[in-house]
Amino acid sequence: EAGVTQFPSHSVIEKGQTVTLRCDPISGHDNLYWYRRVMGKEIKFLLHFVKESKQDESGMPNNRFLAERTGGTYSTLKVQPAELEDSGVYFCASSQGGIFRVNTEAFFGQGTRLTVV
Amino acid sequence: GDSVTQMEGPVTLSEEAFLTINCTYTATGYPSLFWYVQYPGEGLQLLLKATKADDKGSNKGFEATYRKETTSFHLEKGSVQVSDSAVYFCALRGQGNLIFGKGTKLSVKP
Repeated sequence: EAGVTQFPSHSVIEKGQTVTLRCDPISGHDNLYWYRRVMGKEIKFLLHFVKESKQDESGMPNNRFLAERTGGTYSTLKVQPAELEDSGVYFCASSQGGIFRVNTEAFFGQGTRLTVV
Repeated sequence: GDSVTQMEGPVTLSEEAFLTINCTYTATGYPSLFWYVQYPGEGLQLLLKATKADDKGSNKGFEATYRKETTSFHLEKGSVQVSDSAVYFCALRGQGNLIFGKGTKLSVKP
């Protein structure tokens, strides 16, 4: 069974450009999450989809970030325009039930390392 | 709000040394506690978890005990291997999503 896959694995862009990150969750997982780790800091929650609906987007840093999950399958996270402070590793995770349930495990992708120069 | 504090790295050990990575937390209620590991070039993987006080999570020779009285969940392994080199993240799950610590990079030398 394929795990959570993220594309690209690494992206280097200039300040002001646009970048789109993609996440393919495990098949059948309705819950999809985006997290971000800025260098040397905590992995922080960005948002949570249940199928195609945004359940919680309280962690999105500002309106330069746009996440979508068309059809409730894969998700994209667009940063437009990118700023230097957006550099970091963006993780995607998926789970069958909600992550707040005791026996629910979230499965993570390998992350996309974004470098804004 | 809820938070996780774990020891700063990097940690460098020789093979077969004893490992402890400290983790303490602040949370309302009774969170579940986790250790995740990220091996080079791979995604985050759940290493072990504990869902209530005094529970001990264990996997691959690693152990951590949920200590409510000290609000801690320290990761230990009696004899590390080179293949344990990775970044380790302590995390909690309270009422909502996962909250992570900053991560501790472990390097094990042969």
